[in-house]
Amino acid sequence: AQSVTQPDARVTVSEGASLQLRCKYSYSGTPYLFWYVQYPRQGLQLLLKYYSGDPVVQGVNGFEAEFIKSNSSFHLRKASVHWSDSAVYFCAVSAFGNEKITFGAGTKLTIKP
Amino acid sequence: GPKVLQIPSHQIIDMGQMVTLNCDPVSNHLYFYWYKQILGQQMEFLVNFYNGKVMEKSKLFKDQFSVERPDGSYFTLKIQPTALEDSAVYFCASSVTGGSAETLYFGSGTRLTVL
Repeated sequence: AQSVTQPDARVTVSEGASLQLRCKYSYSGTPYLFWYVQYPRQGLQLLLKYYSGDPVVQGVNGFEAEFIKSNSSFHLRKASVHWSDSAVYFCAVSAFGNEKITFGAGTKLTIKP
Repeated sequence: GPKVLQIPSHQIIDMGQMVTLNCDPVSNHLYFYWYKQILGQQMEFLVNFYNGKVMEKSKLFKDQFSVERPDGSYFTLKIQPTALEDSAVYFCASSVTGGSAETLYFGSGTRLTVL
């Protein structure tokens, strides 16, 4: 079975600063990896996903993530955050042939002016 | 982008009553999901549904839970009877296909409070 760990429940960064949100997964095979974002009073929306090829994947709004198999990680990055990036970010994993997506506990990102 | 609608956004009921949570998925989607999130905890998979059948369910999907899409429109989660531990936010999602790399489209959730 697959699992996801997001070790940081809350992260605060200043507007304009760089960002990294951490995600570690557990799965013995090749995973499919996702980052979703949840803005207040809205449903989760896909930011980006990885399932093959270039381990650095680009997403919406300047986000990117890098799949590092040796480290079982899929950290989310952004070079310069904006106040509108304040939200809860979820890392998720699925496996080939398994339609169930497993989510991490989420990281609440707060951007301070 | 595509929208999944969940009705109502908040529901309060007494323990032991029946509740039905409604989800209006994206129109051309074929796979449907329910997830449960207790406040401050992880969002956990409950069930997925395709072609009128439950494809997979988790241990959280108790015997008191049922899902259906009776008229091809709303995808519903029914809990009968409810228990205190059913208090949570329930998220509905849908996808075009059920592939492992498929993008899920989520509703904004129904907050269920069982008193």
